[in-house]
Amino acid sequence: QVQLHESGPGLVRPSETLSLTCSLSGGSINSGSHYWGWVRQHSGKGPEWIGYIHRTGSTYYNPFLGSRITLSVDNSKSEFSLRLTSVTAADTAVYFCARTFSTSYYFFDLWGQGTRVTVSS
Amino acid sequence: IVLTQSPDTLSLSPGERATLSCRASQAVDNSHLVWYQQKPGQPPRLLMSEASNRAAGIPDRFSGLGSETEFTLTIARLEPEDSAVYYCQQFRVSPLTFGQGTKVEIK
Repeated sequence: QVQLHESGPGLVRPSETLSLTCSLSGGSINSGSHYWGWVRQHSGKGPEWIGYIHRTGSTYYNPFLGSRITLSVDNSKSEFSLRLTSVTAADTAVYFCARTFSTSYYFFDLWGQGTRVTVSS
Repeated sequence: IVLTQSPDTLSLSPGERATLSCRASQAVDNSHLVWYQQKPGQPPRLLMSEASNRAAGIPDRFSGLGSETEFTLTIARLEPEDSAVYYCQQFRVSPLTFGQGTKVEIK
């Protein structure tokens, strides 16, 4: 059974960097058939796409995060990661990692359970 | 592309029909519009791809229609487990965007 699982700190101080990792089990990022992405959701709001990455390292970001966001992938570990710099309270949300259906169809057919991140001093 | 869903909340009894709307600010062909179901404390679950193709395991009481800027998700006969928030998402144009959701409450 293919599963995704997010890990990372639940609390980050303002202006610091948020780092999250998503681990894939029961499958391989190396298949190259999907993009691996991040979506966040503020409490009571709709999901918000952050970006996604291919095993080759090609990345696509939502412009609203500007230069603060970096995604990376470690094919050998079947992991991909998110790095968000200079966080503020507005970055407090549940962060999901997810898999796109294919490299042509950018909707998400597999999701992690999500990890809640709070930005607070 | 901004997706606007209506109504915000739908409160219906078991067995009733629910009709949820997703309106796009620009044309989205139906192959680039999907629907998700999200229950509290869970991630979104893919419900419908290409506006009308049910994902694996989704019962046939769920159906989708639409094209261009108007899309509809219909739940033919509501069951208690259909209580959730439903989101549409487009991927015709980057950035990917989601609607704000419609909450379906079962009385």
